[in-house]
Amino acid sequence: DVKVTQSSRYLVKRTGEKVFLECVQDMDHENMFWYRQDPGLGLRLIYFSYDVKMKEKGDIPEGYSVSREKKERFSLILESASTNQTSMYLCASTQTAATEAFFGQGTRLTVV
Amino acid sequence: GENVEQHPSTLSVQEGDSAVIKCTYSDSASNYFPWYKQELGKGPQLIIDIRSNVGEKKDQRIAVTLNKTAKHFSLHITETQPEDSAVYFCAAPREFSGGYNKLIFGAGTRLAVHP
Repeated sequence: DVKVTQSSRYLVKRTGEKVFLECVQDMDHENMFWYRQDPGLGLRLIYFSYDVKMKEKGDIPEGYSVSREKKERFSLILESASTNQTSMYLCASTQTAATEAFFGQGTRLTVV
Repeated sequence: GENVEQHPSTLSVQEGDSAVIKCTYSDSASNYFPWYKQELGKGPQLIIDIRSNVGEKKDQRIAVTLNKTAKHFSLHITETQPEDSAVYFCAAPREFSGGYNKLIFGAGTRLAVHP
């Protein structure tokens, strides 16, 4: 059974903290993505990576960074968490953009 | 770049009725159009997709139609059941520099099927 696993289902962090969201896939996929999901706004792309150590900004990269040191792992970093980053974060992987994307279960982050 | 607009944002139907969700896209070069279903507490899952060389694809109670001229594609669910209640997302690829593509999603449709 193919899997994308996010390290936490729920997180509560304080304003100003550095936050790491981890994502691991076991399908040997080239592409990995981080999306943010907010009501009425759908899935907005934060960052994606098409190869190890390669990354590209999505539509809303401000306040975020990413790391992909190994093919199977893609980390999203909030350098200094703010309350407007309270959201559901979804990680996904695909072999190409024209094939099925597999999503993790999501991490609901609350910044207080 | 690609924009994907999805309508309606909410849809309420009686069990057994049909449901239709529509999406429009802007990039005429787009050639792959998936639909995802997100149940409560889970990540989205692919339910059906269509490529630009066909106009319609069916899988049991769900179907997707594509009109490349008008640049829109639709999800059709027939004989709806309560377990069809979920949020549905359409998507289309957007090309960026370097020739790579990324999936851009619509805003989602919350479907409620009432017994």
